[in-house]
Amino acid sequence: TQLLEQSPQFLSIQEGENLTVYCNSSSVFSSLQWYRQEPGEGPVLLVTVVTGGEVKKLKRLTFQFGDARKDSSLHITAAQPGDTGLYLCFTGNQFYFGTGTSLTVIP
Amino acid sequence: ETGVTQSPTHLIKTRGQQVTLRCSSQSGHNTVSWYQQALGQGPQFIFQYYREEENGRGNFPPRFSGLQFPNYSSELNVNALELDDSALYLCASSLPGSAGEQFFGPGTRLTVL
Repeated sequence: TQLLEQSPQFLSIQEGENLTVYCNSSSVFSSLQWYRQEPGEGPVLLVTVVTGGEVKKLKRLTFQFGDARKDSSLHITAAQPGDTGLYLCFTGNQFYFGTGTSLTVIP
Repeated sequence: ETGVTQSPTHLIKTRGQQVTLRCSSQSGHNTVSWYQQALGQGPQFIFQYYREEENGRGNFPPRFSGLQFPNYSSELNVNALELDDSALYLCASSLPGSAGEQFFGPGTRLTVL
């Protein structure tokens, strides 16, 4: 049983489409982070969410932390090929990464 | 400001051998964490070091050990290598009390034959 389940596991979309990635758990977290990892590199922090119901925007990326702080979502608007990578949610001080969502954006 | 660096980039070993991987933390960061990442999966936490002491450990056997030095750089040692140890090993540095925000190095790709 994974502490953090991400869905979908794989996603292949055309440039310009929108998408949402989910990170779900039965546990409550004090904070949750999203990272993006490109092939051959380490994960890079995108955002940290700490308050239930919080919404943060980073250009075309919108992150939401669930009201109960058990889940989170990442929405990408008008995806671009540069968005291709492995998206990972992370519990922060509990050291758990999610199962990952591999996104491919086709030009 | 220097980011997290790891060495070597790639490494090939045979089953039963021992390996040492190295990590230099980002300037000013006194906490280092190590992760193992199998292909296509999320990283798995191995352990964390803070001020030269182990500060948390994941579900890895004792043949995975580590060190942190006074300059906050760190080593990961793996003894009696097994085929399943083949993976990308990631090092991340952070500051305590920073909500766990971590800065990762590019990783060391270990192949065990």
